[in-house]
Amino acid sequence: QSVLTQPPSASGTPGQRVTISCSGSTSNIGSNTVNWYQHLPGTAPKLLIYSNNQRPSGVPDRFSGSKSGTSASLAISGLLAEDEGDYYCAAWEDSLNGGVFGGGTKLTVL
Amino acid sequence: EVQLLESGGGLVQPGGSLRLSCVASGFSFSDHAMGWVRQAPGKGLEWISGIRETGRSTYSADSVKGRFTISRHNSKNTLYLQMNSLRGDDTAIYYCARGMGPLVYQVNFDQWGQGTLVFVSS
Repeated sequence: QSVLTQPPSASGTPGQRVTISCSGSTSNIGSNTVNWYQHLPGTAPKLLIYSNNQRPSGVPDRFSGSKSGTSASLAISGLLAEDEGDYYCAAWEDSLNGGVFGGGTKLTVL
Repeated sequence: EVQLLESGGGLVQPGGSLRLSCVASGFSFSDHAMGWVRQAPGKGLEWISGIRETGRSTYSADSVKGRFTISRHNSKNTLYLQMNSLRGDDTAIYYCARGMGPLVYQVNFDQWGQGTLVFVSS
């Protein structure tokens, strides 16, 4: 069981906006930045959001991140079929002196 | 073009050892923290180890501490993961990943290899 808690699944129809939450504590999200990754079947993971709300070059602005206290969220607007896959939050965990990923959220585009 | 190419995976018996390598190209390897992330069958991503750009500081998950050792050879643009005392629950795809900057604690891997499969079984 991960120290970062994500819902196991989320879904939406094409064009909709969906959000994925990531709940942590003062020793991880509360004191460190949050990153979000997309992992599509058969591919390597991809960094979507870093430093809570920054997009790497090439990531569409349909993807946005936010953080408040010990929780973070990833929002995907204008949902596309190609967005279907697994999404993970990640942060540094001070008590473990190591990185941690959330358990992952499987996004289904209906 | 940035590339990370892992090698060294394969079938190993419980209690055995493997060394994974990750050869980097297309960027200044010595400017970036590096890490290893794995995904066991049917499971999510797991951060297992990170190393600062100089190699002087390393960090590991409790699940592999004392068994796995991360290291790097900057003049060879190569990252390593020495895995000893392997167990069945170490079976996974192992990804090499590049940090955006020199610091390990940011966990912001912006480039990934395609992964190498490690299968621990008798």
